[in-house]
Amino acid sequence: AQSVTQLDSQVPVFEEAPVELRCNYSSSVSVYLFWYVQYPNQGLQLLLKYLSGSTLVKGINGFEAEFNKSQTSFHLRKPSVHISDTAEYFCAVSDGVPNDYKLSFGAGTTVTVRA
Amino acid sequence: NAGVTQTPKFRVLKTGQSMTLLCAQDMNHEYMYWYRQDPGMGLRLIHYSVGEGTTAKGEVPDGYNVSRLKKQNFLLGLESAAPSQTSVYFCASSPSVVIEKLFFGSGTQLSVL
Repeated sequence: AQSVTQLDSQVPVFEEAPVELRCNYSSSVSVYLFWYVQYPNQGLQLLLKYLSGSTLVKGINGFEAEFNKSQTSFHLRKPSVHISDTAEYFCAVSDGVPNDYKLSFGAGTTVTVRA
Repeated sequence: NAGVTQTPKFRVLKTGQSMTLLCAQDMNHEYMYWYRQDPGMGLRLIHYSVGEGTTAKGEVPDGYNVSRLKKQNFLLGLESAAPSQTSVYFCASSPSVVIEKLFFGSGTQLSVL
């Protein structure tokens, strides 16, 4: 089974500054990778996903992530954050077929954007 | 467009009491999941179902039971609640064998005293 490590538990950042959230996963033959966001008192929403193809993935709200197979990483970035990006962010990984229907989540990174 | 609905949203139990959490989805999804969310630990899979009438254990199944008698519903039961089961519980569903997107409910906050 996969495991996911989010290297930062809390990331404070000023408005309009860039942010990077780091995610590493344990090695496997093939994986699917995801970033989810949880706004206060809500369920999780999908930000972006990597299933195959281009290693640079663009998601909603200006976020992007890069899949690096050799470093088993899937870091999330945004060039300029807004107050509304304050949330908890979860990296998740799914084993490839035939166990691709189960996700393993990281512990989460809390992003706090300050004016 | 309801999506995934969880009931109740909040509940306080005493140690030893039992309860059932209900998850309902109206998207005709085959796969359904129950997760618990604890501070610093992210989401951990309790049980899941790959179709009506099927259930399987996830990462942390002890103390919980589940049933999927109807495709749209996935029930999570606590037979004898313990303080260690204080958590936020999320239900999710997915349409296909390749997880492209999980659809989450808004969560149930459970406190066991």
